[in-house]
Amino acid sequence: SSELTQDPAVSVALGQTVTITCRGDRLKSYYPSWYQYRPGQAPLLVFYSKNNRPSGIPDRFSGSTSGNTASLTITGALAEDEADYYCCSRDSSANHVLFGGGTRLTVL
Amino acid sequence: QAQLVESGGGVVQPGGSLRLSCVASGFTFSTYGIHWVRQSPGKGLEWLAVTSYDGSNDYYVDSVKGRFTISRDNSRSTVYLQMNSLRSEDTALYFCAKDLTLPAPKFPLDYFYGMDVWGPGTTVIVS
Repeated sequence: SSELTQDPAVSVALGQTVTITCRGDRLKSYYPSWYQYRPGQAPLLVFYSKNNRPSGIPDRFSGSTSGNTASLTITGALAEDEADYYCCSRDSSANHVLFGGGTRLTVL
Repeated sequence: QAQLVESGGGVVQPGGSLRLSCVASGFTFSTYGIHWVRQSPGKGLEWLAVTSYDGSNDYYVDSVKGRFTISRDNSRSTVYLQMNSLRSEDTALYFCAKDLTLPAPKFPLDYFYGMDVWGPGTTVIVS
């Protein structure tokens, strides 16, 4: 399958840890990138490759990959982290880029 | 500071055409691939197309192949998305985004690590 599958919604209590997952066969070959998105605004890259966090992204954001599953973990979630999160990877079989369906994170 | 700004969106009838522009500043534009991504109402992000750093190679998602054309003018630090035969399902907020891979490959998806700079988007309504 060339799809990336994400849970539609996840919630976390303020200050707690949450993991957002992304599943797909392509993740066995390629590390994903992760984006924070608030509808109507520019997406923000928050993590990419094996272990890279862009400049300015807080270190409470981290990523990992195992087999066909990638995870974005937010340790000590803040209210400002409430947003949609998308994983993204190349699909070499079709020379495409794939986005997962997105996960809406609610911080309670 | 690296920046991208899209323009050219608007309201167009089905079957019509529109050309989007994406102007870059704050980085060496000619050394990076550039993508177009859209978000349709109520849906997620959808990748559309990418052009290589020199415009010599590009790729498209199947749903726009043959209707949309990506191009770039490095002298103007601008990428374009020519959209023809527009359909109602093309209604969306369109973003351009800078590929973070450096050195950029000749074939833009030979190495893909992500998109690190995004514009605020331009809205296209097909109705």
